[in-house]
Amino acid sequence: GDSVTQMEGPVTLSEEAFLTINCTYTATGYPSLFWYVQYPGEGLQLLLKATKADDKGSNKGFEATYRKETTSFHLEKGSVQVSDSAVYFCALSDDGTGGFKTIFGAGTRLFVKA
Amino acid sequence: KAGVTQTPRYLIKTRGQQVTLSCSPISGHRSVSWYQQTPGQGLQFLFEYFSETQRNKGNFPGRFSGRQFSNSRSEMNVSTLELGDSALYLCASSTGTPDNYGYTFGSGTRLTVV
Repeated sequence: GDSVTQMEGPVTLSEEAFLTINCTYTATGYPSLFWYVQYPGEGLQLLLKATKADDKGSNKGFEATYRKETTSFHLEKGSVQVSDSAVYFCALSDDGTGGFKTIFGAGTRLFVKA
Repeated sequence: KAGVTQTPRYLIKTRGQQVTLSCSPISGHRSVSWYQQTPGQGLQFLFEYFSETQRNKGNFPGRFSGRQFSNSRSEMNVSTLELGDSALYLCASSTGTPDNYGYTFGSGTRLTVV
């Protein structure tokens, strides 16, 4: 079945460092891919999305490119801030024979130090 | 515009009791999905409703049920509560096919079973 694997955390970075959070997926169809962010005590917020191969999603300085050949959707940001500290979830949505569903990765916690 | 509203925010119940959680989606959103979030299992899909019909269901026992009303508001019910049902329950709404538009999540209901 479909699955999402993302790098284990926590990831600890200093302010202004470069961020990469790896995400790979397995899917039988042609899924849409998402990154969500969860701040403490809150629900998840959609950060960015890509609906087909080679699409690049971007928002608030974060970027991710849908790579079908490597089945990946890695999240990157050139210069992180303390306010980026949160848990990041990679997800795929697929409308297969079992009906529509969205599957989330386990989440990667990011700590950014001042 | 108002976001996704979940009530109540916190609940404490005793084993064997039942509980009903409520979710009001963003106005105009017809799709509502429910997820259970725990530290050990991450985000697990419970079910999705679209225009009052359950379109998909995750791998949870029959004690977990849901419904959607004509105004798109949704409820989920858990009967015969077990200690392992303690979790954050998240509701997410979308305009139509979440694979293209992504979800908007509520802040969740934190259920503690004692």
